[in-house]
Amino acid sequence: QKEVEQNSGPLSVPEGAIASLNCTYSDRGSQSFFWYRQYSGKSPELIMSIYSNGDKEDGRFTAQLNKASQYVSLLIRDSQPSDSATYLCAVYSGTYKYIFGTGTRLKVLA
Amino acid sequence: ETGVTQTPRHLVMGMTNKKSLKCEQHLGHNAMYWYKQSAKKPLELMFVYSLEERVENNSVPSRFSPECPNSSHLFLHLHTLQPEDSALYLCASSHPPGGANVLTFGAGSRLTVL
Repeated sequence: QKEVEQNSGPLSVPEGAIASLNCTYSDRGSQSFFWYRQYSGKSPELIMSIYSNGDKEDGRFTAQLNKASQYVSLLIRDSQPSDSATYLCAVYSGTYKYIFGTGTRLKVLA
Repeated sequence: ETGVTQTPRHLVMGMTNKKSLKCEQHLGHNAMYWYKQSAKKPLELMFVYSLEERVENNSVPSRFSPECPNSSHLFLHLHTLQPEDSALYLCASSHPPGGANVLTFGAGSRLTVL
């Protein structure tokens, strides 16, 4: 059974701090990795995608991938109350299979 | 209209009713998906269609019946549902998988089965 594991949280950080969200996956053959943000009652929206080892930065967001350790992370710098949401890690394992974690709930405290 | 549109946004139905969820994508994608999202569970893939052909049926009960008349439209027909089927049903689309292709979700249909 291919799995994606995330700590459910909540992860509470003060406004302006760095939030660090982590994800591990079981399928070594996974090709692509995604972070989605989901506000309560809304659908997931893509925040970051990453395909090769290392860091990828987009504004306040940085995704980090380590395929050897089967580990993906998302850093949010200068966290804002509007970043409070559930963050879903997703892994593409081939043949139309996008495997999702249960999500980490982030609370940014004003 | 842009993106992925789902209707209805909310649906309440009895266990003996028949209803349908509709999804339309305006992104020129070739693959469409139905996911189920229940509280404290990961998104569960239900069905995938690529170029109107079903390519994945993830052991979903027969009371859920998908239909994909063309690459822009996807339906989920519901009949004789159970209360445990109450969930958020998400439609998504993508280009055919090539590793780098991102899923784009619709706003979801919140289903309550009484």
